[in-house]
Amino acid sequence: GQQVMQIPQYQHVQEGEDFTTYCNSSTTLSNIQWYKQRPGGHPVFLIQLVKSGEVKKQKRLTFQFGEAKKNSSLHITATQTTDVGTYFCAGPGGGSQGNLIFGKGTKLSVKP
Amino acid sequence: NAGVTQTPKFQVLKTGQSMTLQCAQDMNHEYMSWYRQDPGMGLRLIHYSVGAGITDQGEVPNGYNVSRSTTEDFPLRLLSAAPSQTSVYFCASSYSWSTNEKLFFGSGTQLSVL
Repeated sequence: GQQVMQIPQYQHVQEGEDFTTYCNSSTTLSNIQWYKQRPGGHPVFLIQLVKSGEVKKQKRLTFQFGEAKKNSSLHITATQTTDVGTYFCAGPGGGSQGNLIFGKGTKLSVKP
Repeated sequence: NAGVTQTPKFQVLKTGQSMTLQCAQDMNHEYMSWYRQDPGMGLRLIHYSVGAGITDQGEVPNGYNVSRSTTEDFPLRLLSAAPSQTSVYFCASSYSWSTNEKLFFGSGTQLSVL
C-alpha cells in the first residue's frame, strides 16, 4: 500500500540552529499535509500543499512540495524551544483516497 | 465548540478484558477515524467512518470494532484486550471524506494492557 517515508527519525539541535525534515513517497501525491505534535499532546494541523513546486511560509517555518509531487520538506529557521515536538507529514492513502497515511514523524529536541 | 472529545484519558486493562473508547465531535463532521500511535511507528489508521451507519477498516483493524449510529459519536471497542494493543489512541475527524480536509484530533487515550 501507499507509504510515506519521513527522515530523520530524530533531530537534536541547539537553539538558534536550523532544522529540516523530509517526506518521500514512491507515488505521486495529490496533496500533502503537515502536523505537529507537542510532547504529551495530540497532532495539530499545520499546513497543506497541493501544487507542484509549492512553497508556503508560516513565520520561521517553510514548507515545500516537490516538482514531481513525490516529496516534501519542512524547514525551521533559528529553532526555539517552543518548536520541540514531533512533526508528521501525511499523504493520501492508496486505495482509500479519503484517508491520510502518516509518516513515522521526526522528533525534534532543542537544547537551550 | 469543544472539538473532538475523547474519554477516558488513561486506562489500564487486564488481558482479555473488553472496553470502549469514546469519541465525540461537535463540528458536524462527516468523517471520523481512529488512529493508534506507537513509538517509532507513527500514526496508523484502525477504522474510519464516512457518515452515520458507514464504517470501514483501516490499516490495522484486527481486535477492534466500531459503529457510527450518530454523526457525533464514533466509539472504538476492544473485544478482548491483548498486550499488543497497549498504545495511545487518537480519534480524528474532518468535514468530509477527502484528503484535502485537515484532521482535527482528540487529546488521546493512553491504554495499557497487562
